[in-house]
Amino acid sequence: SQTIHQWPATLVQPVGSPLSLECTVEGTSNPNLYWYRQAAGRGLQLLFYSVGIGQISSEVPQNLSASRPQDRQFILSSKKLLLSDSGFYLCAWSGAFVGQFSYEQYFGPGTRLTVT
Amino acid sequence: DQQVKQNSPSLSVQEGRISILNCDYTNSMFDYFLWYKKYPAEGPTFLISISSIKDKNEDGRFTVFLNKSAKHLSLHIVPSQPGDSAVYFCAASETGNQFYFGTGTSLTVIP
Repeated sequence: SQTIHQWPATLVQPVGSPLSLECTVEGTSNPNLYWYRQAAGRGLQLLFYSVGIGQISSEVPQNLSASRPQDRQFILSSKKLLLSDSGFYLCAWSGAFVGQFSYEQYFGPGTRLTVT
Repeated sequence: DQQVKQNSPSLSVQEGRISILNCDYTNSMFDYFLWYKKYPAEGPTFLISISSIKDKNEDGRFTVFLNKSAKHLSLHIVPSQPGDSAVYFCAASETGNQFYFGTGTSLTVIP
């Protein structure tokens, strides 16, 4: 069965510090991978998605970046965190969309990031 | 620009009654829709989906209705149970690779 891991679960970082959140998926190959952010009182905002190694699409201009160094590894980074980067970060995966068949997204447990 | 909207941030329903959660979208090219349930400090879990070739999909107590002309979908939960209390997100996609989520509706089922 497929599982998705995210770490750390919680993180408190000062403004201006770097960030690295990691997500890995087990039990599937060539998944689509996603990073979302849920800010306080708001919905899920798609930040990045990837359909393959090295292929990253950015949805929202920001000081965050994403990388996919391996098929089942997705990393969210920042060189300098802002206060507005605080939120709940979620990684998700889905199977490839083929014709009329598509697959739901499966989410990881999330990382609560507080920028102080 | 919010392409998927859930205009009711919260909803309270008596146990055993029907819960109806609504979702509107603006992009007529969206052709696949999902509902997710989320508890605090956890990732969302998939509930039910519907493609644009259907107007209804049912799974146990959960039914999703799609009205393409109105760009509207709804999730019906019958009968509602206290364990259904959570935040519900609808999501829509045009390509199947990229999904846009609504802002969520917090459902409280009162015992």
